Amino acid sequence: GQSLEQPSEVTAVEGAIVQINCTYQTSGFYGLSWYQQHDGGAPTFLSYNALDGLEETGRFSSFLSRSDSYGYLLLQELQMKDSASYFCAVLYMIYNQGGKLIFGQGTELSVKP
Amino acid sequence: DTEVTQTPKHLVMGMTNKKSLKCEQHMGHRAMYWYKQKAKKPPELMFVYSYEKLSINESVPSRFSPECPNSSLLNLHLHALQPEDSALYLCASSQEEGNNYGYTFGSGTRLTVV
Repeated sequence: GQSLEQPSEVTAVEGAIVQINCTYQTSGFYGLSWYQQHDGGAPTFLSYNALDGLEETGRFSSFLSRSDSYGYLLLQELQMKDSASYFCAVLYMIYNQGGKLIFGQGTELSVKP
Repeated sequence: DTEVTQTPKHLVMGMTNKKSLKCEQHMGHRAMYWYKQKAKKPPELMFVYSYEKLSINESVPSRFSPECPNSSLLNLHLHALQPEDSALYLCASSQEEGNNYGYTFGSGTRLTVV
C-alpha cells in the first residue's frame, strides 16, 4: 500500500524558518507535491518535485530525495498568514487505472507573534 | 478563469433525501476528481474522471454516484446517506490525469446528514 508520514503539528515565530518533513512508501511514484489549507478553505497547490533536488518559489522551497523516499517543505520569513495545515501528497500511477494523488495526514503550522 | 466552482457551499439533508453536488471548471482541464475530507483529516480520494470517463472509483459506496456530463462539469449524486457521510466534499481538476503540476481545488460543499 501507500503511506506518507509527516509531523502532526509545528509551532514557530514570525520571521523564522520552518521545515516540514515527509517520508513516503509507495509503488509507482511519480512525484511529491505540497498543499496548503487554511481552516475552512480549499487546499492550494504550493509546489511539486518529480526529480531530486530543491525547487524554490518565493518564500517556499521544496526538496525531494527519491532514493531516501523523503521530502520537505521549507517556509522562510514566516508570516502569521502562513498558519495553516500543510499536506504532502504523492502522485502514483496504477497500471490500467490511472493516477492517484494521495495526501499525508497533514501538519498544522502555528505561527506565533 | 482559474477556479473550480462548487455548489452548494452548505447542504443539510435527511437520510432519505436525494441531492446533488455540482462542480464546474473552465480551465480546459481534462481530469476531475471528488475528494471527501473529515475535520482535521486529509482529503480522501473518491473518484477520478479522465476525459469524461470514470477511471478510478476508490470502492466508494453506491449511495454516492458520480456523473461527468461534459468536460467542464462534474456532479456527485447523493442518496440514502448516513450521518457518518457528513464531511467536506471537495472537487478538483488538473490538466490531465496523472499530471502532478497542481490540482486546483474548489472550496467544497460542507454536507451534514441528519
